[in-house]
Amino acid sequence: NAGVMQNPRHLVRRRGQEARLRCSPMKGHSHVYWYRQLPEEGLKFMVYLQKENIIDESGMPKERFSAEFPKEGPSILRIQQVVRGDSAAYFCASSPTRSTNEKLFFGSGTQLSVL
Amino acid sequence: DAKTTQPTSMDCAEGRAANLPCNHSTISGNEYVYWYRQIHSQGPQYIIHGLKNNETNEMASLIITEDRKSSTLILPHATLRDTAVYYCIPNYGGSQGNLIFGKGTKLSVKP
Repeated sequence: NAGVMQNPRHLVRRRGQEARLRCSPMKGHSHVYWYRQLPEEGLKFMVYLQKENIIDESGMPKERFSAEFPKEGPSILRIQQVVRGDSAAYFCASSPTRSTNEKLFFGSGTQLSVL
Repeated sequence: DAKTTQPTSMDCAEGRAANLPCNHSTISGNEYVYWYRQIHSQGPQYIIHGLKNNETNEMASLIITEDRKSSTLILPHATLRDTAVYYCIPNYGGSQGNLIFGKGTKLSVKP
């Protein structure tokens, strides 16, 4: 049973370009979460999605960032017109249900570097 | 959300028990205590969680005080691969997913 898969592992973009980060949850998991870790800082929650629905986007920057989790295929975190401050590690996590005692399974992350 | 206090760093000798404390004096009655760790450059890894009773699994033990204001994560026989940042996270559970990772404790296991 493969774990949470994120790709690419490393992504380099120039300022103004778009970054697309992909996350395939564990098999059977329909809940996906995105977190961001800025250099020398802790992980910060960004968004929680369930198939085709955004449940909680309270941690998402209001502009340039969007996320989706379509019925088929991976979840995508999209960053438009990237700036240097977007350089960070982006982690995706998944869980099977929305129930008590649920733990999150994290992927290995995508390291985004903006030149 | 409950605030947590953890030591910034700790050292432990390989093969010895590592005891990582966490104060969460403002925890509410229905918040669980979750522990995750993050090995350098990797995604966080779930370790254990509990509500009131002490818990044990294949990775660690969790001791929660009776008043629930503090807890201790115990790695019974630390190995070099246990070197990581350990996070104590009060959370309501229910896959709300909005875990608040503080600064955690950097545990260094030394030979």
